[in-house]
Amino acid sequence: EPEVTQTPSHQVTQMGQEVILRCVPISNHLYFYWYRQILGQKVEFLVSFYNNEISEKSEIFDDQFSVERPDGSNFTLKIRSTKLEDSAMYFCASSEQPGGDTQYFGPGTRLTVL
Amino acid sequence: DAKTTQPTSMDCAEGRAANLPCNHSTISGNEYVYWYRQIHSQGPQYIIHGLKNNETNEMASLIITEDRKSSTLILPHATLRDTAVYYCIVRVSGGAGSYQLTFGKGTKLSVIP
Repeated sequence: EPEVTQTPSHQVTQMGQEVILRCVPISNHLYFYWYRQILGQKVEFLVSFYNNEISEKSEIFDDQFSVERPDGSNFTLKIRSTKLEDSAMYFCASSEQPGGDTQYFGPGTRLTVL
Repeated sequence: DAKTTQPTSMDCAEGRAANLPCNHSTISGNEYVYWYRQIHSQGPQYIIHGLKNNETNEMASLIITEDRKSSTLILPHATLRDTAVYYCIVRVSGGAGSYQLTFGKGTKLSVIP
């Protein structure tokens, strides 16, 4: 069964450093998403992406964050200058159709900012 | 998207059916009921969704009341691997919907041997 994959599974970085989290969505899906979950808190939406453009973003997704689909398979989330409060699980998701279509999630990347 | 209310936690004996309720009294006619679960800190896993008819797949059944103000997710024979947080999410489906899934706190289901 097709699945969303994410790398790395765990990333440790120093405050102020840039990190790139990578995702490979399900191959025939066209809509891509990033969510995050701070330890012990709810899963929160960050951004959605389609046709090389951001479709929707939350207040969390500020200028420190960016997303890109650099090739036909990868979807990346970049945090330019990490802060301690960026420590969280980051989940990528994809869907075949936009809007309310079923989203399928990857296993997540645990980001630890020291 | 309509607001949902779920119990904070539930226990279920292994092998028995787990019935997880969800109230969504403000649901609109074009909003679907989605269920996801999250095992430990893994990515949310899609379970099932429905509009007004009851639905069944290989993982679970979804029973939606006739007035659509509440629903129940049924895991017919719960196993220890079903221990997870279960999220009920109401949202518009199709191209008119918002892109984001809004997760609440969900119900922590503990399956007990």
